[in-house]
Amino acid sequence: GIQVEQSPPDLILQEGANSTLRCNFSDSVNNLQWFHQNPWGQLINLFYIPSGTKQNGRLSATTVATERYSLLYISSSQTTDSGVYFCAVEILGNEKLTFGTGTRLTIIP
Amino acid sequence: DTAVSQTPKYLVTQMGNDKSIKCEQNLGHDTMYWYKQDSKKFLKIMFSYNNKELIINETVPNRFSPKSPDKAHLNLHINSLELGDSAVYFCASSQVAGAEAFFGQGTRLTVV
Repeated sequence: GIQVEQSPPDLILQEGANSTLRCNFSDSVNNLQWFHQNPWGQLINLFYIPSGTKQNGRLSATTVATERYSLLYISSSQTTDSGVYFCAVEILGNEKLTFGTGTRLTIIP
Repeated sequence: DTAVSQTPKYLVTQMGNDKSIKCEQNLGHDTMYWYKQDSKKFLKIMFSYNNKELIINETVPNRFSPKSPDKAHLNLHINSLELGDSAVYFCASSQVAGAEAFFGQGTRLTVV
C-alpha cells in the first residue's frame, strides 16, 4: 500500500517562530489533506490540497504532486497551534485516506 | 450546527460487553467512514460506506459491525469488547470517495 511519511516527528518552537512540516508519499494521489489534531483530540481540516498552493491566514500549504510531497507552512506560531499535524492521502480508486504518522508541534510562550 | 457528530464522546466499559457508537452527518454526503486512532496516535481506516453500501472493510475483526440505516448515519457496534479495542474511534464523511473528508469529534473507548 501507499506509504506516507511526515517529518519532523516532533518540533518545539518559541511563539512567533515559523515552521515547515513535510509529507512525502509513495504513489500518485487524487486527494491530500492536512489536519490539525488539537490537545482535545479534535481533527480539524486545514487544507484539501491534492496539488498546488493554498493559503489560509498564517497557514499555507503546497503540494507538488509530480514529486510526491506536500509542505505545510505555519508563520508567526501561536500557542494554540500546538498539537499533532497529520497529512492524509488517497490514491485513485482506493476510496480511503491513508494517514501519516504525524508531526507533534509544541509552541512555547 | 455540527457537521459530523458522534455519540458518546467517552465510553468506559468492561471486557466482554457489547457497545455501540452512533454517527450522523448533516452535510448531505454520500460516503461515510470509521477510523481508529491507537495509543500511538496512528489513524487507520476501518470501514467505508457509500450510499449505505459497504465498500471497504479493512480486515477488522467481525466483532465490529457497522450499520448504515440511511446515508446520513453510520453506526458502529462492537461485540465482546477486548482490552485491545481501547482507542479513539472517529467517524468521517465526504461528498464522494476522494473528496475532502470531515471528521467527527471522536469517541474515546476504554475497555477495563
